[in-house]
Amino acid sequence: ETGVTQSPTHLIKTRGQQVTLRCSSQSGHNTVSWYQQALGQGPQFIFQYYREEENGRGNFPPRFSGLQFPNYSSELNVNALELDDSALYLCASSIPGLPTDTQYFGPGTRLTVL
Amino acid sequence: AQSVTQPDIHITVSEGASLELRCNYSYGATPYLFWYVQSPGQGLQLLLKYFSGDTLVQGIKGFEAEFKRSQSSFNLRKPSVHWSDAAEYFCAVATNTGNQFYFGTGTSLTVIP
Repeated sequence: ETGVTQSPTHLIKTRGQQVTLRCSSQSGHNTVSWYQQALGQGPQFIFQYYREEENGRGNFPPRFSGLQFPNYSSELNVNALELDDSALYLCASSIPGLPTDTQYFGPGTRLTVL
Repeated sequence: AQSVTQPDIHITVSEGASLELRCNYSYGATPYLFWYVQSPGQGLQLLLKYFSGDTLVQGIKGFEAEFKRSQSSFNLRKPSVHWSDAAEYFCAVATNTGNQFYFGTGTSLTVIP
């Protein structure tokens, strides 16, 4: 049991809308990473936050943005939704220490863009 | 550029048979390597990881993996597969700064009785 929770579980939006996904990290974890997993694909790294600052970013456009709060919970915001944004969005938190230490994944949010 | 290749999209094995899932990576420095498992509707669970040291690493659920630098490989093995091992398996590499992660496209494992 990881202790990482995500909300909502499922979400349906239309093209052009904006969406906010939420992640609650496991207690004491100060690093959170977000991933996009399209159907039949592996997770694609979106970005990582460490102590409320963006600490790394994958190949995603600026309309994908994030926040990390003092309690280490996090949000992923996506503006101007496109059909290709339909995917499972995963967040993962890490224990303090090396950023490459064990990542604990949440169950994900399934986003469908119509 | 960093990348991970899992050549086998789908593998079917009989229960009790041995298993090897292949993973090749591309990374200029010493890689941090991981294997994750994902069951339907679930998040990813870490099976094992390699940072340094002994190139044969043991993980949970009886899995092990061997890092071979000369072949840029990190193959996952299990001597005897159980029906509950049926799932999607992902290999991943992280940069040594720890702020970039790359996953393979996954291998789907089916276990037949």
